[in-house]
Amino acid sequence: DAGITQSPRHKVTETGTPVTLRCHQTENHRYMYWYRQDPGHGLRLIHYSYGVKDTDKGEVSDGYSVSRSKTEDFLLTLESATSSQTSVYFCAISEQGPGNQPQHFGDGTRLSIL
Amino acid sequence: GESVGLHLPTLSVQEGDNSIINCAYSNSASDYFIWYKQESGKGPQFIIDIRSNMDKRQGQRVTVLLNKTVKHLSLQIAATQPGDSAVYFCAENIQAGTALIFGKGTTLSVSS
Repeated sequence: DAGITQSPRHKVTETGTPVTLRCHQTENHRYMYWYRQDPGHGLRLIHYSYGVKDTDKGEVSDGYSVSRSKTEDFLLTLESATSSQTSVYFCAISEQGPGNQPQHFGDGTRLSIL
Repeated sequence: GESVGLHLPTLSVQEGDNSIINCAYSNSASDYFIWYKQESGKGPQFIIDIRSNMDKRQGQRVTVLLNKTVKHLSLQIAATQPGDSAVYFCAENIQAGTALIFGKGTTLSVSS
């Protein structure tokens, strides 16, 4: 299994609170991604990173921000959580870009916003 | 918008049968395709990939077929086992794209 650790694995919080999810990798891969998975929508890209301090938006980036201050960590922040952000969040990594290699996924964070 | 989709949301087979899971894509510029398996409570797990310059690729008990004429991708699993029960996703990358586009998944149920 790829060395990807997501934390926390489960979180319940209230609307309006800030939330930060962490993805930690031990593979020294350049690319890191955050997805959300919802019934009926499949996996959708939120943000991705192609290097330290290099990030870009994905399909569903509104309401989310990311940071990558070192190779191994990619943080996803919900500045003010809303109920529509209740989802399962997956981090993925790849050594090369998405057109060249498969991405490898962590086991997800289940986030509930009440 | 253009997206990757799967023909059937569920597929039920008997242990030992061969399974075929299908996927249709709509973008002729897609040049890289991946199949993933996702078990309950876990992240997607890479199974096999194929590039658009190929029409078939084999792995251990799995084969991916790509038909670019009709924009169709399939995953064949030989001698299906109960441990193969999971949700299977196809994903595509559009040429020079920055992201994978995922289909919604087919749930494979294997009964013994």
